[in-house]
Amino acid sequence: GNSVTQMEGPVTLSEEAFLTINCTYTATGYPSLFWYVQYPGEGLQLLLKATKADDKGSNKGFEATYRKETTSFHLEKGSVQVSDSAVYFCALKNQGGKLIFGQGTELSVKP
Amino acid sequence: GAVVSQHPSWVICKSGTSVKIECRSLDFQATTMFWYRQFPKQSLMLMATSNEGSKATYEQGVEKDKFLINHASLTLSTLTVTSAHPEDSSFYICSAAGGFNNEQFFGPGTRLTVL
Repeated sequence: GNSVTQMEGPVTLSEEAFLTINCTYTATGYPSLFWYVQYPGEGLQLLLKATKADDKGSNKGFEATYRKETTSFHLEKGSVQVSDSAVYFCALKNQGGKLIFGQGTELSVKP
Repeated sequence: GAVVSQHPSWVICKSGTSVKIECRSLDFQATTMFWYRQFPKQSLMLMATSNEGSKATYEQGVEKDKFLINHASLTLSTLTVTSAHPEDSSFYICSAAGGFNNEQFFGPGTRLTVL
């Protein structure tokens, strides 16, 4: 079946540090891949997406590249800010159009 | 992006009562709406998918008689938790999809606490 696995959190970084949150997936066919961000007490917001192999999604300094050969979609940011503290969810959209989420990774950025 | 609202944002109720949560797409017509449940520090679990004017499709393990979903118009879906019990306490999030690429837009969530 389809599934998404993310690195466990929480991840604690100092401001301006480099961020990587690993995400790997299992899917039939060629799913679209997403990163969502959830700030405390709020719903999910789409951060970035990629719809085919080798596509790079980017937004607000975050990037992720769709790697079919390693079935991965790792999230990166070169210099994190305190305001990036949130929970990040990796997800895929399966052939039926449903979103399958990873377990979420909590990021805490300290000043 | 498109805006999806939920009401109420939080609700506290007594065990045995029913609670209705509304999900509205404010600036687009949502052909499909989704209802998710999120436990603390866990991922979102899809509960059901509803298309306007038809019955909702529930995921395995979700009781359709307990979680009633109505999608009466292209901008409104409701989730009613019937005879709520403390184990139903959770964060309920809806999303709405429509338009060219059928992207899902998420509501801010409703925190339900059953005493």
